[in-house]
Amino acid sequence: ELKVEQNPLFLSMQEGKNYTIYCNYSTTSDRLYWYRQDPGKSLESLFVLLSNGAVKQEGRLMASLDTKARLSTLHITAAVHDLSATYFCAASNTGNQFYFGTGTSLTVIP
Amino acid sequence: GAVVSQHPSRVICKSGTSVKIECRSLDFQATTMFWYRQFPKQSLMLMATSNEGSKATYEQGVEKDKFLINHASLTLSTLTVTSAHPEDSSFYICSARALDRGRAPDTQYFGPGTRLTVL
Repeated sequence: ELKVEQNPLFLSMQEGKNYTIYCNYSTTSDRLYWYRQDPGKSLESLFVLLSNGAVKQEGRLMASLDTKARLSTLHITAAVHDLSATYFCAASNTGNQFYFGTGTSLTVIP
Repeated sequence: GAVVSQHPSRVICKSGTSVKIECRSLDFQATTMFWYRQFPKQSLMLMATSNEGSKATYEQGVEKDKFLINHASLTLSTLTVTSAHPEDSSFYICSARALDRGRAPDTQYFGPGTRLTVL
């Protein structure tokens, strides 16, 4: 079973600041996913990273994948209040089963 | 994007009763559906993998006799929580993996979730 760890678990940041969320996974996985979850809601897909060195950007969020280090990052640039949510990474195995990280609860303070 | 629905969105039941949750892929056929459980302020835990027409595969620690999964068609999977108890109260989320090539490869589309409260 894949083990996926995220840090930090909680992140409080001021508007306009930058920060990075880290996601480590335990065994080989070529696919890494990032999701956003608002309170009481299901998951919204943000990024799908399919290969080593993949980098994807959408607005103020940028995700990257290093399969050799088994590490993915989600970088937040110039945070705004609307980005407040819980962010999950997930790695998948060959059976396409997803294993989720612990989640990072982000609060952006005006 | 692909749409996955769940019904009901919320259910409250008495201890000892059984509850059925439906997961449907509305605009695509799903080879595989997955069921997750999420406790408050925690991550999603994979419970089982469901393939159409075959028995579900359960993760370690998940009781298959308590959480009955049926995947009767390429668009419908059901999770029945049998003899529910208060500790089964949780947010249950399903996801579906698309069959057709028009969808993003190897990704899952998540339903809106079902909040189960067992009194």
